Amino acid sequence: SQQGEEDPQALSIQEGENATMNCSYKTSINNLQWYRQNSGRGLVHLILIRSNEREKHSGRLRVTLDTSKKSSSLLITASRAADTASYFCATALNAGGTSYGKLTFGQGTILTVHP
Amino acid sequence: GAGVSQSPSNKVTEKGKDVELRCDPISGHTALYWYRQSLGQGLEFLIYFQGNSAPDKSGLPSDRFSAERTGGSVSTLTIQRTQQEDSAVYLCASSSGYSNEKLFFGSGTQLSVL
Repeated sequence: SQQGEEDPQALSIQEGENATMNCSYKTSINNLQWYRQNSGRGLVHLILIRSNEREKHSGRLRVTLDTSKKSSSLLITASRAADTASYFCATALNAGGTSYGKLTFGQGTILTVHP
Repeated sequence: GAGVSQSPSNKVTEKGKDVELRCDPISGHTALYWYRQSLGQGLEFLIYFQGNSAPDKSGLPSDRFSAERTGGSVSTLTIQRTQQEDSAVYLCASSSGYSNEKLFFGSGTQLSVL
C-alpha cells in the first residue's frame, strides 16, 4: 500500500505562477523526499528533508514538513514549461535502527505548466 | 558508469515466457533497489540489495519473481512464466551506502506481456 497520499492529482498552471503540491503519510519517518519523473520513466531526486527539519530550500524549490500532521508540501516558484512532469513524495521509514533506501512513494501529482 | 543503466529499455513477451531485466548501478554504489511502476499500483518496492545479499525481498509479488546481484554490481531481475499483470515499468535504483539518502534511478524497462 502507498504510504504517501498526494494532492492534487493534477495541477495545471501558467508559466510564472507558483505550484504547490501536498503529501500526507501515515507512519513515523526518517526522512521525506521529493522526486520528479518525466515521460513515465526514470525518477530524479529533487530534495530531501529530515524528520527534525521543518523547511528546506533548493533553488526554486521549497519543501516543508509537519511531522505532527504527517504532511509535507513542495512549492515550485516562478514555474517554467520545463517543470512539466509528475512529482512524487517518498518516505523513508524509521526502521528501528536499520536505515536503507526502501522508499514508499505517493501516487504523484501531474504538473502541467503552460507557456 | 555515469548513471544507472537498465536494459532492455522495452521488452515485449508472450504470456508464460521468462524474462530477464538487467540493472547496472552507479560504480561504487553498494545499495541497489528494484521498484515496479504500474498504472493501478503506482510505484512499488520489490527488493533491496546491500552488496550481493538481499536483506529485504518483501516486495516481490510471487515466487515467479527473483533477483540476484553479482560482484556487488550488476543485478538481474527474473520473472518466470510471465502473466499479463506483470506488465509495468521496472525501475532500478542505487545509492551509495547504508543510509536512506537519495536514490539514483535508471530509465526503467517497459515490460509488456501479451
